[in-house]
Amino acid sequence: SAVISQKPSRDICQRGTSLTIQCQVDSQVTMMFWYRQQPGQSLTLIATANQGSEATYESGFVIDKFPISRPNLTFSTLTVSNMSPEDSSIYLCSVEDPRTGLNTEAFFGQGTRLTVV
Amino acid sequence: AQTVTQSQPEMSVQEAETVTLSCTYDTSESDYYLFWYKQPPSRQMILVIRQEAYKQQNATENRFSVNFQKAAKSFSLKISDSQLGDAAMYFCAYRGRTGANSKLTFGKGITLSVRP
Repeated sequence: SAVISQKPSRDICQRGTSLTIQCQVDSQVTMMFWYRQQPGQSLTLIATANQGSEATYESGFVIDKFPISRPNLTFSTLTVSNMSPEDSSIYLCSVEDPRTGLNTEAFFGQGTRLTVV
Repeated sequence: AQTVTQSQPEMSVQEAETVTLSCTYDTSESDYYLFWYKQPPSRQMILVIRQEAYKQQNATENRFSVNFQKAAKSFSLKISDSQLGDAAMYFCAYRGRTGANSKLTFGKGITLSVRP
């Protein structure tokens, strides 16, 4: 299993500013993922962050808006840039260990509830 | 691309009763994995149960069991002896075996309330 600490747990931000969300894992993991969960909606994958390479973004998400860092095997950050009210969501960090196979369990942080005003 | 559909946005169950949450999916793959995740108000997503498509036997974890109908592409979750702590949002998720399909795809979720 993996324990994930995600910070901040919530924030209220002014439009036009940026917020960086941190994700710390208690063990080394190859793959880290960032999801967005809009109010009352499902989880949408933003990007996959692998250590030592550029993050891979899903359709509809771009690096300029959501830059990601992955400096080592236990840590990643997601920045929400130039925020607008439409960015108000819960952002979740997740990790998986592909060595355990494709039925591997995904572990999640407790999420960051972002409100943009 | 695969899709996961949870058509019921909300359900309610009496404490100690049984409730079934529905999920259907669409895929062209023959081998894949299915999951049910629980998200309580604390927002911490927790794995409830998983099923491998090549296994005919339905997965069971204590009070939680699934009814996996591969031909119908149906994957429902049954919660027996419901408890107040079961109140949460439940997400059905799919993972294929190859390439982009190996990423988790989530349904829209269903909010389960438990009446005391």
